[in-house]
Amino acid sequence: DAGVIQSPRHEVTEMGQEVTLRCKPISGHNSLFWYRQTMMRGLELLIYFNNNVPIDDSGMPEDRFSAKMPNASFSTLKIQPSEPRDSAVYFCASSWTATNEKLFFGSGTQLSVL
Amino acid sequence: DQQVKQNSPSLSVQEGRISILNCDYTNSMFDYFLWYKKYPAEGPTFLISISSIKDKNEDGRFTVFLNKSAKHLSLHIVPSQPGDSAVYFCAASGGAQKLVFGQGTRLTINP
Repeated sequence: DAGVIQSPRHEVTEMGQEVTLRCKPISGHNSLFWYRQTMMRGLELLIYFNNNVPIDDSGMPEDRFSAKMPNASFSTLKIQPSEPRDSAVYFCASSWTATNEKLFFGSGTQLSVL
Repeated sequence: DQQVKQNSPSLSVQEGRISILNCDYTNSMFDYFLWYKKYPAEGPTFLISISSIKDKNEDGRFTVFLNKSAKHLSLHIVPSQPGDSAVYFCAASGGAQKLVFGQGTRLTINP
């Protein structure tokens, strides 16, 4: 089992540029979560999907952030335009169901916006 | 409005001794609590959980204690080993609230 796969591992970009983070969940998992890790707030839930449908996006900080899940094996998190305060580690996680709290996390994408 | 708080950013413990990591929560609707462990450059991995109907859950060297009246939980690691050095996240869920994480505590086990 390959686990949750995220790409890229590292992303360095300039303020104002578009950033796209990608995630492949574990096959068979029906729920997918995007989290952001910062020193001050720890792991914050940005959005989660159940059966490819966005269920709760209340954690998405601004309209600059958007997420899609076109099929069961792929999701993207896009930031447009990016700002320095978006610099953080972004994690994708999946689970068997939306009510199953045992999440399987990817290795994360370290985003730096200069 | 941090609903789950880990007030100790770091903790240093000698190998073989007990490590105690603490977590406080504010939302009385939370009814399921978990601890995740994270190594550098990796994602968090599930460690142990406890339901609100219990006050203790044990798994090998790891024990989680829940004090509902104080809205407090703790993770005990006995004995501590060098491989336990990691960041530990407390998390909670319940009601309509999906999994909410704390800020994390960096545990360092000294030989």
